[in-house]
Amino acid sequence: IVLTQSPGTLSLSPGERATLSCRASQNVNNVYFGWYRQNVGQAPRLLIYSVSQRATGIPDRFSGSGSGTDFTLTISRLEPEDFAVYYCHHSDDSVGTFGQGTKVEI
Amino acid sequence: QVQLVQSGSEVGRPGASVKLSCKTSGYTFTTFALAWVRQAPGQGLEWLGWINTNTGNPSYAQGSTGRLVFSSDTSLNTAYLQINSLKAEDTAIYYCARYFTYYYYYLDVWGKGTTVTVSS
Repeated sequence: IVLTQSPGTLSLSPGERATLSCRASQNVNNVYFGWYRQNVGQAPRLLIYSVSQRATGIPDRFSGSGSGTDFTLTISRLEPEDFAVYYCHHSDDSVGTFGQGTKVEI
Repeated sequence: QVQLVQSGSEVGRPGASVKLSCKTSGYTFTTFALAWVRQAPGQGLEWLGWINTNTGNPSYAQGSTGRLVFSSDTSLNTAYLQINSLKAEDTAIYYCARYFTYYYYYLDVWGKGTTVTVSS
């Protein structure tokens, strides 16, 4: 499975809404799909699992949606810490892959 | 709290081997798998695979070169990644992450990463 994210870069201001997309090359099972945020110089952090389930401690400004091959991460109001790179991810018992990332910049 | 503490930076010569460690705490080691993810300088995340810490059975990414070896030691609550026959393209940050695999699959806790530099 290949995951393709768009856009490559998103230029927005704090308080604005961000919409990030991830397209899979074939249908994926929702339970294997998630989103991660990576701030500069830090390890990735789990935001969303199973397409739309927020991870522990993740604020409700983050939401995920989609099914089949098309998935979306929405950040309703950008906070300073949200300017980072976001990766979609699919993995199961035998395979795993990340999208190439979307950079959200000011 | 759950923590994954990774070993320090490594510098290796081409053709040599390095062994990275990922020491876990705050939970029962054998209850969760451990995954390995790599990030080359300025690049995105690359899935390397994972190890079942209960059975010790590894699962490597498709297309893996065969130079990576996952292992674990339940007595030390530690997982290891050995990279053999180092090449310049192995220069990267290597992350371990706890891999939740009970119905939902996700990486919920990450180590801070180990930097591997391959240089002659």
